[in-house]
Amino acid sequence: EAGVVQSPRYKIIEKKQPVAFWCNPISGHNTLYWYRQNLGQGPELLIRYENEEAVDDSQLPKDRFSAERLKGVDSTLKIQPAELGDSAVYLCASSLEGFRTDTQYFGPGTRLTVL
Amino acid sequence: ILNVEQSPQSLHVQEGDSTNFTCSFPSSNFYALHWYRWETAKSPEALFVMTLNGDEKKKGRISATLNTKEGYSYLYIKGSQPEDSATYLCAWQYNFNKFYFGSGTKLNVKP
Repeated sequence: EAGVVQSPRYKIIEKKQPVAFWCNPISGHNTLYWYRQNLGQGPELLIRYENEEAVDDSQLPKDRFSAERLKGVDSTLKIQPAELGDSAVYLCASSLEGFRTDTQYFGPGTRLTVL
Repeated sequence: ILNVEQSPQSLHVQEGDSTNFTCSFPSSNFYALHWYRWETAKSPEALFVMTLNGDEKKKGRISATLNTKEGYSYLYIKGSQPEDSATYLCAWQYNFNKFYFGSGTKLNVKP
């Protein structure tokens, strides 16, 4: 079974430029998460989808971040414009139903460097 | 206060040594405690999901215990091998689909 796929794996951009990350979850997984991990910290949730609906986006900085999950499968996270403080690892995860103890399966992440 | 702490931050051991790390979390609003292993350049891999006070889980040489009343979980590795080198993350699940991750313990096992 293929795992969660993310691309690109690495991205270097200059500040004020836009950037987009793509995630393909495990087939059949209804719940999709985007996390950001800053250096030396644990992953922090940005947004959670149940199918195509964003059910928790309270931590998403909506002035510059946007996300979509078309048809409840793939998802894209966008930053426009990027700031220096956005340098981090962006992780995508998926789970089957999002139940109480449902395991999250993570992708390898995208390491973003903003210069 | 949502605060999950992992200690130590990093650990260097020799091959064959046994080791353990701690994950501390608030004892209220407990749903589950998750452990992940994250090797460099790979995806975080789920190790255990623990839900009940006193839970003990084992997977090969790795085991974990859970104390929800005092808010901690221990992860043990018996006879560490170089392939165990990774960052070990714990995540405290405090609500339906609400997770708070620790910053991880980075383990380096020297051959």
